[in-house]
Amino acid sequence: AQSVTQPDIHITVSEGASLELRCNYSYGATPYLFWYVQSPGQGLQLLLKYFSGDTLVQGIKGFEAEFKRSQSSFNLRKPSVHWSDAAEYFCAVGAKYSSASKIIFGSGTRLSIRP
Amino acid sequence: NAGVTQTPKFQVLKTGQSMTLQCAQDMNHEYMSWYRQDPGMGLRLIHYSVGAGITDQGEVPNGYNVSRSTTEDFPLRLLSAAPSQTSVYFCASSTDRVPGELFFGEGSRLTVL
Repeated sequence: AQSVTQPDIHITVSEGASLELRCNYSYGATPYLFWYVQSPGQGLQLLLKYFSGDTLVQGIKGFEAEFKRSQSSFNLRKPSVHWSDAAEYFCAVGAKYSSASKIIFGSGTRLSIRP
Repeated sequence: NAGVTQTPKFQVLKTGQSMTLQCAQDMNHEYMSWYRQDPGMGLRLIHYSVGAGITDQGEVPNGYNVSRSTTEDFPLRLLSAAPSQTSVYFCASSTDRVPGELFFGEGSRLTVL
């Protein structure tokens, strides 16, 4: 069965600093990997996704993520964070050849921005 | 564009009461899902559907029923509410046969006393 681990519950970074959020997944085959962002009181919005090909994927709002099969990781990065990036971030894994609906989420990392 | 619409946004129930959370999408998506979000636990999949007339269980299906009579609607029923079902519920839809982008509703906050 697929699973996702986000080891950091809460991270605080200074505005303008770089950011890396960690995500480790467990799945036997090649997974489909996602990062979603949730602003307070809102639903989730897709930041980026990895299906195959180039292991470095670009997303919206200046985010990128790198798939590392050897480490079973899909860490999210941003070179310089803005105060508006404060939100909760979820990593998710979908099983290949499975239905689109069955996507499993990690427990989330809350990002705070220090002025 | 309406996208995914959930109603009600807020609901308070007493233990043992039943209710239905409504979810409708106007994007002609085949795939629809229900998640619950609890602090520190992320989103957990309750039930999902790959098309009208077809549903299946997710990670935490107990205490919930679903049906999919039309492409547009995917209601979630709580037959006998329990305090453990206090949560924020999200409905999502997707168009892809392979795992793809989920479009989420704004959520329904349920409190069971």
